Amino acid sequence: AQTVTQSQPEMSVQEAETVTLSCTYDTSESDYYLFWYKQPPSRQMILVIRQEAYKQQNATENRFSVNFQKAAKSFSLKISDSQLGDAAMYFCAYRSAGETSGSRLTFGEGTQLTVNP
Amino acid sequence: EAQVTQNPRYLITVTGKKLTVTCSQNMNHEYMSWYRQDPGLGLRQIYYSMNVEVTDKGDVPEGYKVSRKEKRNFPLILESPSPNQTSLYFCASRFLGDLNSPLHFGNGTRLTVT
Repeated sequence: AQTVTQSQPEMSVQEAETVTLSCTYDTSESDYYLFWYKQPPSRQMILVIRQEAYKQQNATENRFSVNFQKAAKSFSLKISDSQLGDAAMYFCAYRSAGETSGSRLTFGEGTQLTVNP
Repeated sequence: EAQVTQNPRYLITVTGKKLTVTCSQNMNHEYMSWYRQDPGLGLRQIYYSMNVEVTDKGDVPEGYKVSRKEKRNFPLILESPSPNQTSLYFCASRFLGDLNSPLHFGNGTRLTVT
């Protein structure tokens, strides 16, 4: 079974600075997807960014980028120019690429990000 | 607007009193699922459904039931709730015809069992 680990329960960053959230996972599969979700106080689950394992290029979405290290099974999220609205719980998640088992997301424990003005 | 709708948003109940949390999606998605979120544990899957009348257990199914009589609806039933089912619950759906399609989440139901 796949597992996802976020070793930082809490992180803080100064507004306009850069912060990196860590995520490691364990799998025996070669094809899969990785995701970062943001959960603000409204509880909504918002997809921030995703990475297909077969792509070597790291995904980017505006101020959000990932460092995907497939051999190390590491998938960190970098937030540049942090804004107050980035304060939230962030979840890393894994999904198998196989269709029959490929819809379940396995989540990490979450990292609570605080942005200080 | 494409969305997953859960009701209620908040629910307080007592041990043993049967309850149902409803979930409906308007995107004609085949796949629907329920997760519970607990501090320090992230989100864990309770049950999922690949299509009408097809349901299966996730990681933490004990104490829960689901049904999928219509494609759009996937209610979560707690026949005899207990305090350890106090949690934040999310319904989610996804289109199975595209491997790249994302999982769409509802806005969550905060359940307290006293």
